[in-house]
Amino acid sequence: DTAVSQTPKYLVTQMGNDKSIKCEQNLGHDTMYWYKQDSKKFLKIMFSYNNKELIINETVPNRFSPKSPDKAHLNLHINSLELGDSAVYFCASSQGTSRGYTFGSGTRLTVV
Amino acid sequence: AQKVTQAQTEISVVEKEDVTLDCVYETRDTTYYLFWYKQPPSGELVFLIRRNSFDEQNEISGRYSWNFQKSTSSFNFTITASQVVDSAVYFCALSGTQGGSEKLVFGKGMKLTVNP
Repeated sequence: DTAVSQTPKYLVTQMGNDKSIKCEQNLGHDTMYWYKQDSKKFLKIMFSYNNKELIINETVPNRFSPKSPDKAHLNLHINSLELGDSAVYFCASSQGTSRGYTFGSGTRLTVV
Repeated sequence: AQKVTQAQTEISVVEKEDVTLDCVYETRDTTYYLFWYKQPPSGELVFLIRRNSFDEQNEISGRYSWNFQKSTSSFNFTITASQVVDSAVYFCALSGTQGGSEKLVFGKGMKLTVNP
């Protein structure tokens, strides 16, 4: 049973489209995150939700909108995709920093 | 603000060589956690170690060892007798425990290539 699962694993889409990436965790964690890894491999947090509430929003364009229907799910919707959105997006979950973070396997988004 | 610096961007070694990956961090939190992750060519993030700020004991796990020195804000990682399978990008990361700092802040990563 995968602890943090993301779908899809690969996503190729045209500029201007709207797309969503889904994330689900079965660990019972209260906090979920989205991280973006750019072409230079730099990993940066985008959002964090705790029990469905947004607690971290790191200067991400408004075109990115996270949605957490329940504490086990954190989806990422991206409007009007741009070339610069091409990256690997990682979902993660945590039950407090002291217990560490569990990452999904990543979604490689390519905007053409 | 929290910050992690991995000064080396890329290292290439020959199999069986020892290699040390440097990590220096900055934080104002008195309690914090340090991590190392491995990202092999397949792309997933593999957790290697978590260490809290009150535990300065060095740790050894097989060929891997970690040296945490609070006095120099460093958390270095050594691979002994490197193998080709160690080829990957390695990330050092820091997480605070105060509100808003409970997130992983990553260094820029260090690409290790182990040649046969």
